[in-house]
Order: sequence, then C-alpha cells, then structure tokens
Amino acid sequence: AQSVTQLGSHVSVSEGALVLLRCNYSSSVPPYLFWYVQYPNQGLQLLLKYTTGATLVKGINGFEAEFKKSETSFHLTKPSAHMSDAAEYFCAVINTGGFKTIFGAGTRLFVKA
Amino acid sequence: GAGVSQSPSNKVTEKGKDVELRCDPISGHTALYWYRQRLGQGLEFLIYFQGNSAPDKSGLPSDRFSAERTGESVSTLTIQRTQQEDSAVYLCASSFKQNYGYTFGSGTRLTVV
Repeated sequence: AQSVTQLGSHVSVSEGALVLLRCNYSSSVPPYLFWYVQYPNQGLQLLLKYTTGATLVKGINGFEAEFKKSETSFHLTKPSAHMSDAAEYFCAVINTGGFKTIFGAGTRLFVKA
Repeated sequence: GAGVSQSPSNKVTEKGKDVELRCDPISGHTALYWYRQRLGQGLEFLIYFQGNSAPDKSGLPSDRFSAERTGESVSTLTIQRTQQEDSAVYLCASSFKQNYGYTFGSGTRLTVV
C-alpha cells in the first residue's frame, strides 16, 4: 500500500534561509510524486511534480524537489525563504496506473523576519 | 470554467440535518475527487469519479455520506443526519490525467453545531 510521511508538522526558518521540507514515501511500483501548497484560507495548489525523466524537478516560486529512489524520498527545497512562502505544504504520491493520490499530513512552514 | 468551483464556501448546520455540497470541475477533466480535511490534519480521500465508470467509494466514512456525478460535469456530496465529527473542510479536485496532478477548489467549510 502507498503511504507518505512528512517529517515535521511545523518548520520555522528565517527569511533568506534555506527551506527544506522532508517527504518519504512507500510504493510497490514506480510512483508519481507531487508537492502541493495551501495558503491560508485557500485551496491546494500544485507546486511541482515528478512523473518520469529528470529526477530534479523545478516548480513555481523557486521551489524544487529531487526524487531519490534509493532513499524513497522527495524532499522539497528552496534556497532562500520569503515571507510569502509561509503556508502548509503537502507531499503526495500516486502509483503509476493507479488513480487515488495519497497525501501526507502536511508541514506548516513559518518564515521569520 | 477556469477553475474548480465549490459551493457553498461556508455552511453551518444543526446536528441531524442533511447538507449538500457542490463541485463544478474544470471542463474536460474526466476525473473528480472529494477529500475531507479536518482541522490541523491531512487530506482524507472520500470518493473518486472517472468518466462514466463506477465510482470508487472506498473512502466514504459511513452510509450517511453519498456522492453523485452526472457524466463529466457537476458532482454533489451529500451528508445525511450530520454529526459534529463531520465538521471539516470538504475539498473537491479534478484532473485530466493522473500524472498531471489535481486542480483543487477552495473547499466548503462545514460546521455542525
């Protein structure tokens, strides 16, 4: 069965610092992997995705994530945090050939001035 | 439409009453999903529709919950005899293909008092 684990329900960084949000998954077949962002009082928005090909994927707002099969990880990074990055971030997995996306519990990112 | 539209955006209902939530997906998106997000928690899968195929209802928490979708258009999620534990944000998403990721609506915040 698929599952997603996001390490840390809350992460706090200073403005300008590196953002690292961790995600590990389990899947019996090659997965599709996603990161979504949810700003306060808004719906979820797709940030980036990995399906096939290049394992380093770039998304909106300067975020990127790297698919590491050997580590079953798909960590989200951004070199320099902005105040506007404060939001909740969800990692998600779907099996190739599957239909149901499984979401992690979410990580709330706080950015300090 | 340009995005996934959900209505109402907020609903307060008395315990025991029935409620109906509506989702209007993006035109051309064959897949439609309902998720539930309780306060401070991740997304809980409820039901999935794909074209004219039989829906996957495996996530519905009880027989008080039901959903319908006509073809590839609007979907309604109905909760009968609402309970306080039904209070949550109900999110609808639609997708063109599974590896495209989802487009989410802004959700319906349901409060049962």
